Amino acid sequence: QQQVKQSPQSLIVQKGGISIINCAYENTAFDYFPWYQQFPGKGPALLIAIRPDVSEKKEGRFTISFNKSAKQFSLHIMDSQPGDSATYFCAASSPNAGNMLTFGGGTRLMVKP
Amino acid sequence: DAGITQSPRHKVTETGTPVTLRCHQTENHRYMYWYRQDPGHGLRLIHYSYGVKDTDKGEVSDGYSVSRSKTEDFLLTLESATSSQTSVYFCAIGQGSLTGELFFGEGSRLTVL
Repeated sequence: QQQVKQSPQSLIVQKGGISIINCAYENTAFDYFPWYQQFPGKGPALLIAIRPDVSEKKEGRFTISFNKSAKQFSLHIMDSQPGDSATYFCAASSPNAGNMLTFGGGTRLMVKP
Repeated sequence: DAGITQSPRHKVTETGTPVTLRCHQTENHRYMYWYRQDPGHGLRLIHYSYGVKDTDKGEVSDGYSVSRSKTEDFLLTLESATSSQTSVYFCAIGQGSLTGELFFGEGSRLTVL
């Protein structure tokens, strides 16, 4: 049973375009929703995170949109660049589970020059 | 980069042999985690530790055991490796704080023939 579902599995975007990755969760106890970025041969690294008390968080070209009632959140990458080509994982955690992260299945993003 | 070292980085072994992966941290973080990464499944938690000699099971713990005798070291053991355990294994560390941020090592690629 996958508690965090991520889509699409892969995404191709032209340079300058907007990349959108979506995640949905089941567990209403989740209260922390990070996005991790992973380059080939490397471990994932935190990109941006949000808590459910806000509906949107923006850091540079990266924005998380959060819809608590729908139990969905998404990552938007504005003005996508070839250097953004990586695998992106959404995740969620709850305080009553030691803040352990439950990850989505990942999205492989390719930004074409 | 967070001070996390995984060893070995690559290993090829045969079915039925024991395998131990090591994670060493220099950050003095309380929490340590072992995840496995497989295409389409994202990162799945195997075991985690919340202190010396304090460990617990994750989502996919069958066939794996762990030990943590020192704050800085967390060992993952496959008592009798199977082909289904071919994967990339990631160690992560965290402070268990409200930010929930985890720092990942660079991974250990294990192939079981």
